[in-house]
Amino acid sequence: KQEVTQIPAALSVPEGENLVLNCSFTDSAIYNLQWFRQDPGKGLTSLLLIQSSQREQTSGRLNASLDKSSGRSTLYIAASQPGDSATYLCAVTSTGGGNKLTFGTGTQLKVEL
Amino acid sequence: SAVISQKPSRDICQRGTSLTIQCQVDSQVTMMFWYRQQPGQSLTLIATANQGSEATYESGFVIDKFPISRPNLTFSTLTVSNMSPEDSSIYLCSVEDGTRARQYFGPGTRLTVT
Repeated sequence: KQEVTQIPAALSVPEGENLVLNCSFTDSAIYNLQWFRQDPGKGLTSLLLIQSSQREQTSGRLNASLDKSSGRSTLYIAASQPGDSATYLCAVTSTGGGNKLTFGTGTQLKVEL
Repeated sequence: SAVISQKPSRDICQRGTSLTIQCQVDSQVTMMFWYRQQPGQSLTLIATANQGSEATYESGFVIDKFPISRPNLTFSTLTVSNMSPEDSSIYLCSVEDGTRARQYFGPGTRLTVT
C-alpha cells in the first residue's frame, strides 16, 4: 500500500527566503507525482506534475524534483511571498492503483512580512 | 485546464439525513473522482465514477453510504446518506486531464453534521 509523507508539517519563513518542502513515498512504482496547493475554501490547485521518467519540472518560482528510486520529491520555492502562504500537498499515481492519487499529509506554509 | 464547480459550497445537516453534492465540469471527461478530507487530514479517495458504468469504491467506502451518479460526461453527484457527525468533512470532486495526467479539483463542499 502506497504511503506518502511530507516534512515538515508546518513551516514559517520571512518573505524573500528560499525554501524546500519534502515529500517521500514508500512504493517507487509510480506513473507520476503532483504538487498541489490548497487555500482555505478554494479547493486544490495543481502546481506541477512530474512524470516518472522525468527528474524535475519548473514553473515560475517553483521547481519540483523527483528521485523515483529513493522515493523522494522536493518542491523548491524561490523568493517566497506572503501570497505563497497555503498548504502544499504532494500526491502520487501508483502503477498498481489505477488512476487514483495517494496524497501526502501536507505542509502548511506561512510566509511573513 | 478544466473548470469545475460544486454545489452546495457548504451545508449544515442534521444527523440521519442525506445530502447530495453536485459536480459540474466545463468539458467532457471520462473519469471523475470523489475525495473526502476530514478535519486536519489529507485527502482520501472515496470512489471513481465513469460515465455509463457503476462507480468503483475504495476500501472503507460503500455504495449504500455514498451512492454516486454519473449521468453524462460533464456531471456527477455524490450523496452522503444517513449522516453522522463523523461525516463532517470537505468533499471534493476532481477530473483528470488525459490518462494519468494532471487532476483538477473543484472548490469543495464543506459539510457539517450536527
